[in-house]
Amino acid sequence: ETGVTQSPTHLIKTRGQQVTLRCSSQSGHNTVSWYQQALGQGPQFIFQYYREEENGRGNFPPRFSGLQFPNYSSELNVNALELDDSALYLCASSDGKLHYEQYFGPGTRLTVT
Amino acid sequence: DQQVKQNSPSLSVQEGRISILNCDYTNSMFDYFLWYKKYPAEGPTFLISISSIKDKNEDGRFTVFLNKSAKHLSLHIVPSQPGDSAVYFCAATRGGADGLTFGKGTHLIIQP
Repeated sequence: ETGVTQSPTHLIKTRGQQVTLRCSSQSGHNTVSWYQQALGQGPQFIFQYYREEENGRGNFPPRFSGLQFPNYSSELNVNALELDDSALYLCASSDGKLHYEQYFGPGTRLTVT
Repeated sequence: DQQVKQNSPSLSVQEGRISILNCDYTNSMFDYFLWYKKYPAEGPTFLISISSIKDKNEDGRFTVFLNKSAKHLSLHIVPSQPGDSAVYFCAATRGGADGLTFGKGTHLIIQP
């Protein structure tokens, strides 16, 4: 059983650009969530996808969007990058039974300059 | 407004002793509570969870206690081992599609 993987590990972008981060969920997990973790803070919920539909969202603007694919992979897209978007972005997956027990990937460190 | 609070940024405990990490919450709608451990350059690792209908859950060296009236939970690690040195996050959720709400974490240091 493979765990949750994310790519790339690190990324540097310029303010105003767009970025796509990728995640491969644990096999059999039909729910994926994305979190943003700023330095010195706990992870903050961005949104959740279940069976390729967004079904929950935290306090993030629409320029944060996502996709979930049938093969357990997913994407986080951020448009019009701002300096405050610099953070660790974490992907987490869970199955339908214990959906609240989420299993995290190692994260993508995004730096916006 | 922080709904999940971990008021101790760091905690130092001797190897073999008990580590007690504390967490307070304000939202009475939370149904599940979880503890995660995080090493540098890794994602959070799920440790243990508890439903709001229980007051204790045990898994090996880890025990989580929930006091709903005080809106307080704690994680006990007995005995503490060097590999337990990490940042511990408390998290809570109402379930469904709500996602997890995390505290800021407590850095646990196990001294030899």
